[in-house]
Amino acid sequence: GQNIDQPTEMTATEGAIVQINCTYQTSGFNGLFWYQQHAGEAPTFLSYNVLDGLEEKGRFSSFLSRSKGYSYLLLKELQMKDSASYLCAVLDSNYQLIWGAGTKLIIKP
Amino acid sequence: ETGVTQTPRHLVMGMTNKKSLKCEQHLGHNAMYWYKQSAKKPLELMFVYNFKEQTENNSVPSRFSPECPNSSHLFLHLHTLQPEDSALYLCASSQGEAADGYTFGSGTRLTVV
Repeated sequence: GQNIDQPTEMTATEGAIVQINCTYQTSGFNGLFWYQQHAGEAPTFLSYNVLDGLEEKGRFSSFLSRSKGYSYLLLKELQMKDSASYLCAVLDSNYQLIWGAGTKLIIKP
Repeated sequence: ETGVTQTPRHLVMGMTNKKSLKCEQHLGHNAMYWYKQSAKKPLELMFVYNFKEQTENNSVPSRFSPECPNSSHLFLHLHTLQPEDSALYLCASSQGEAADGYTFGSGTRLTVV
């Protein structure tokens, strides 16, 4: 079966750095997405990785290793507004999005 | 405002009621999706429409009935729902390459009593 694993919840301190991991086992791979979802709001697109390596976009970076079936989202200089759920999703060989259950990130002052 | 608008934002309905959820996008996207989001579970794809044609129905119970009258509007008709159907129902749209990602609406929080 297809599976995406990510931690259920993480806590970090304002101003610090946090890394949210995602591992996947899917039938084929056509890219990995990270979305951010604040409570009661729409998920919003953060990043898309299809090649190995690190993609940096401001305070957020996303890393992919296809051989290891592994990705992480790195958030730097954490702000209170970064408190949200972070969803990992993989596009499989049929171009279907397979979703993880999301990681709830709690930022403390 | 994400470009995808869903109404209503909240809905409480009895198990014998009939109601409809509405989704609207004016992004020029050609694909629209209904997802169910339950607490601590992955997003569940329910229905997919490409160019108004339904291309995916992931074994969704018949008490959920989608309708796509044009490429900008998508409905989810609900009847005789069960309490376990209570969830956040998200609509999304996309255009062309999946690498561009999906644009989601803010969802309808449905409670079945």
